[in-house]
Amino acid sequence: GQNIDQPTEMTATEGAIVQINCTYQTSGFNGLFWYQQHAGEAPTFLSYNVLDGLEEKGRFSSFLSRSKGYSYLLLKELQMKDSASYLCAVRNRGSTLGRLYFGRGTQLTVWP
Amino acid sequence: NAGVTQTPKFRVLKTGQSMTLLCAQDMNHEYMYWYRQDPGMGLRLIHYSVGEGTTAKGEVPDGYNVSRLKKQNFLLGLESAAPSQTSVYFCASSPTGEGAVAKNIQYFGAGTRLSVL
Repeated sequence: GQNIDQPTEMTATEGAIVQINCTYQTSGFNGLFWYQQHAGEAPTFLSYNVLDGLEEKGRFSSFLSRSKGYSYLLLKELQMKDSASYLCAVRNRGSTLGRLYFGRGTQLTVWP
Repeated sequence: NAGVTQTPKFRVLKTGQSMTLLCAQDMNHEYMYWYRQDPGMGLRLIHYSVGEGTTAKGEVPDGYNVSRLKKQNFLLGLESAAPSQTSVYFCASSPTGEGAVAKNIQYFGAGTRLSVL
């Protein structure tokens, strides 16, 4: 099966930088996704990594190391609206294309 | 832009009652999914479908049935609701195809909040 681990909660201050880590153990890795979910709302896609390295998209960046089974989501210049749950999800090669296995999510609270 | 639409948004059931949750997508996606989300448990896959007329079990399929009679619709049924099925249910869809990763992103509906008393 899949084993995806991420911290339950994190807090940070407005304007700061925060790094949310995700470790995974899976067979036939074929991509890692990050989703953002505000309270009471649907998850929305943030980023995707399939090769090692950093993917940057505005204030958000995501990093992947396949050999270490590790990813992180980096949020810069934090804003109050970034308070949300961040979900790490892994896709496997050989399983139904598109099927994702989600971690339990990291609840980020941004304080003024 | 409708995307993925779920109905109803809220529902309260008594133990033993049945109901059907409807998911509709207008993006012509082949794949559709039903998840449940419970506090501290993350998103868990109930059932999924890789195309019209096909369905498969996910991680937590017991107590649920699904049907995909039309490509754009994916129905989740509870035949005899139990308190353990109190949860928030999310439907998602994704396109298929190798190549561009963006084609496999899952798009979620707004969720159905179900309480079983």
